[in-house]
Amino acid sequence: KNEVEQSPQNLTAQEGEFITINCSYSVGISALHWLQQHPGGGIVSLFMLSSGKKKHGRLIATINIQEKHSSLHITASHPRDSAVYICAVREGKLTFGTGTRLTIIP
Amino acid sequence: EPEVTQTPSHQVTQMGQEVILRCVPISNHLYFYWYRQILGQKVEFLVSFYNNEISEKSEIFDDQFSVERPDGSNFTLKIRSTKLEDSAMYFCASRREGMSEQFFGPGTRLTVL
Repeated sequence: KNEVEQSPQNLTAQEGEFITINCSYSVGISALHWLQQHPGGGIVSLFMLSSGKKKHGRLIATINIQEKHSSLHITASHPRDSAVYICAVREGKLTFGTGTRLTIIP
Repeated sequence: EPEVTQTPSHQVTQMGQEVILRCVPISNHLYFYWYRQILGQKVEFLVSFYNNEISEKSEIFDDQFSVERPDGSNFTLKIRSTKLEDSAMYFCASRREGMSEQFFGPGTRLTVL
């Protein structure tokens, strides 16, 4: 059974700050997903990674398969980035982390 | 842009009643999923469905749960006799053949009284 850990659990930052959210897992996987959950509950897929790095706008996701670790970075953070960010690993089914609640203060 | 839809957005039911949660996946997607999230907890996988049969299910998905694709568009989750601990947000997701990205619906909040 894959254990998916995220850190930090909660993060509050000022607008404009560079944000890093970390995810580690215990068992080798075929892919890792970063998801965003809005305050209303809806889930949006941000990235799917199996190696290396991906960038989409102000969001960057990296994965190190050997170290079983991934990071999600947000550059020039904005209050609208406030959400819960969830890491999920895929080995057939998805196993989810507990999420990181991000609050960006104007 | 195509999206996964779910109905109802909120369902309140009495313990012991049957509920059916409905999902309309994106039309050219062939893989379907149900997840649940108990308030304050992480999202949990329930079941995956492909080619009109369950491809994987979790230990949560016991005999009280069933899934069905009754027609070409709907994908349903039935809970036969609801318990208080079934209260949660239920998410449907779908993906295309050959692609890993899953598209999530907005969720149905189920409250069991």
